[in-house]
Amino acid sequence: QVQLVQSGAEVKKPGASVKVSCKAVGYTFTTYYIHWVRQAPGQGLEWMGKISPSSGSTTYAQKFQGRITMTRDSSTSTVYMQLSSLRSEDTAVYYCARGYSYGYSEVFDYWGQGSLVTVSS
Amino acid sequence: SYVLTQPPSLSVAPGKAARITCGGYNIETRSVHWYQQRPGQAPVVVIYYDSDRPSGIPERFSGSSSGNTATLTISRVEAGDEADYYCQVWDSSSDHMVFGGGTKLTVL
Repeated sequence: QVQLVQSGAEVKKPGASVKVSCKAVGYTFTTYYIHWVRQAPGQGLEWMGKISPSSGSTTYAQKFQGRITMTRDSSTSTVYMQLSSLRSEDTAVYYCARGYSYGYSEVFDYWGQGSLVTVSS
Repeated sequence: SYVLTQPPSLSVAPGKAARITCGGYNIETRSVHWYQQRPGQAPVVVIYYDSDRPSGIPERFSGSSSGNTATLTISRVEAGDEADYYCQVWDSSSDHMVFGGGTKLTVL
């Protein structure tokens, strides 16, 4: 069945970078966009950006421009999200989600289990 | 940028209906998706494209949209429905996804 399997928890120091992976299982990797959504402790969902696994093209939320990079490895059906210049406010659970497109929108029909990133000195 | 506004909280007695609103300019022209998130879990879609229900989601969950407000209705609320609920749309002008701030549903 369809699954998105994410990498484990990370602890990083301020100023460092983190790279989170998301492995797609159970469907054709290149068919659907992969999105990244984060959730700070006690806060709501925040969309970070998306990547096309077929072309590698990306769209990033304005807030993260210059600090975020999404890449993919088609040989392993894995998408990566790297966030640099980390600060304490980046402490959050990071989710990848598959975007199912129908008409003029996308719905996130499958989600990864989440990866906790803690930024602390 | 496009903004979605949800009430932070809603309390409903078991067996009653819960109506969670999502406000946005001319939202009726956009496709609205709704997610349920229980504590410590990833979100799950409960309504997509305004009013469609994925397989496995109870018929008690329904959605509608008119004017500047989209609504998720949960009829005959149960204790297991206690969760955070988020609305989401695609902003075509920026090609960005937008989430509402979320509504915490408490079952009394």
